[in-house]
Amino acid sequence: GAGVSQTPSNKVTEKGKYVELRCDPISGHTALYWYRQSLGQGPEFLIYFQGTGAADDSGLPNDRFFAVRPEGSVSTLKIQRTERGDSAVYLCASSLTPWGTAIENTEAFFGQGTRLTVV
Amino acid sequence: AQKVTQAQTEISVVEKEDVTLDCVYETRDTTYYLFWYKQPPSGELVFLIRRNSFDEQNEISGRYSWNFQKSTSSFNFTITASQVVDSAVYFCALRSNFGNEKLTFGTGTRLTIIP
Repeated sequence: GAGVSQTPSNKVTEKGKYVELRCDPISGHTALYWYRQSLGQGPEFLIYFQGTGAADDSGLPNDRFFAVRPEGSVSTLKIQRTERGDSAVYLCASSLTPWGTAIENTEAFFGQGTRLTVV
Repeated sequence: AQKVTQAQTEISVVEKEDVTLDCVYETRDTTYYLFWYKQPPSGELVFLIRRNSFDEQNEISGRYSWNFQKSTSSFNFTITASQVVDSAVYFCALRSNFGNEKLTFGTGTRLTIIP
């Protein structure tokens, strides 16, 4: 498809379990972002990839959260030992941001998110 | 630290009325970008506008217009002749220009257009 694709759209898991959330960015977009949106709140930054590397992971809340992008395209957000407080919509976005150049004329395109519910 | 404040949690107006959504931001950066996104019930964030901090010209796009006032750190969004399809949550966001790619979002304003 032409847009950012996230799977699954909904995920219900039990407290303590491990989950993986997948993001397929727009083809050719080098930059990829993960955000988390809790109910009634704005999205909060988690991590940013430029190519295969995590350029900024300052938003990851703790070491239970990890994300990879091994081939510079698809990314997976991994959450270990899930807690009820992890319940949120996890949004992925991508943008056409060449590494090392100005980002002035790019904007991020968002997927529809994965709604994670930890019970 | 960067911060975006959208004081209006919810707004309801009757169709065809004009409505303004407020956004106030805080940043220590001299160069930055401001954004508005629309989030319909489907959940996907839809990009509406990006404004460079050096460009204080107001912008109009169809029924949408934006008023950027650097002196008051505000970037307000007005919809004229509102339509039911405008019902959504609207987010204002801020991004630094200094190699920091992340967006800082406000808490959003839920807009309901009553037919």
